Amino acid sequence: EAQVTQNPRYLITVTGKKLTVTCSQNMNHEYMSWYRQDPGLGLRQIYYSMNVEVTDKGDVPEGYKVSRKEKRNFPLILESPSPNQTSLYFCASSFNRGTQYFGPGTRLTVL
Amino acid sequence: SQELEQSPQSLIVQEGKNLTINCTSSKTLYGLYWYKQKYGEGLIFLMMLQKGGEEKSHEKITAKLDEKKQQSSLHITASQPSHAGIYLCGADGQGGSEKLVFGKGTKLTVNP
Repeated sequence: EAQVTQNPRYLITVTGKKLTVTCSQNMNHEYMSWYRQDPGLGLRQIYYSMNVEVTDKGDVPEGYKVSRKEKRNFPLILESPSPNQTSLYFCASSFNRGTQYFGPGTRLTVL
Repeated sequence: SQELEQSPQSLIVQEGKNLTINCTSSKTLYGLYWYKQKYGEGLIFLMMLQKGGEEKSHEKITAKLDEKKQQSSLHITASQPSHAGIYLCGADGQGGSEKLVFGKGTKLTVNP
């Protein structure tokens, strides 16, 4: 089954404790992306990747890191999480930018 | 930077009624995408529009991109409770950027 998986689905952590949210797709897509969704602010792109070893900043990259060492994986790293990074995070992948497959989401709470 | 404004922000309709959601861009659209999201879940791709005047339909949902390519509309005919959710429009970034931008979404409630 074609899908994008994210782990964990829910995470509660404390300020400053490094965390990684994994994202994996099984469709051989080149384009992958991370978004955060917040009430009143909508869906905002954090980082995207056009292919292996090619990543670029979206609109809200501050406080996040990503890597693309393999085509199927695109982890999101928060080196020192802060409460303003509490959000619902989505990973997505596609052959081209717009027709994306989204993961189920990761709900992160930073205390 | 490009911005997408959706209207209305929320909509409550009676089952069987028709409805329209609009998405207006601050710049010319080169690729416009419609997605649907159920509360707290991932987005599901509905349709892509690229050419001015283009219209696409899927079941009871029709999306159009105007000739000037700065506005798109999503029309649902004879709405059903299964149509309820949040509808988002997305667009390709400008100036050669590979970014994607999204509107803030329209929350649709369909009462039986």
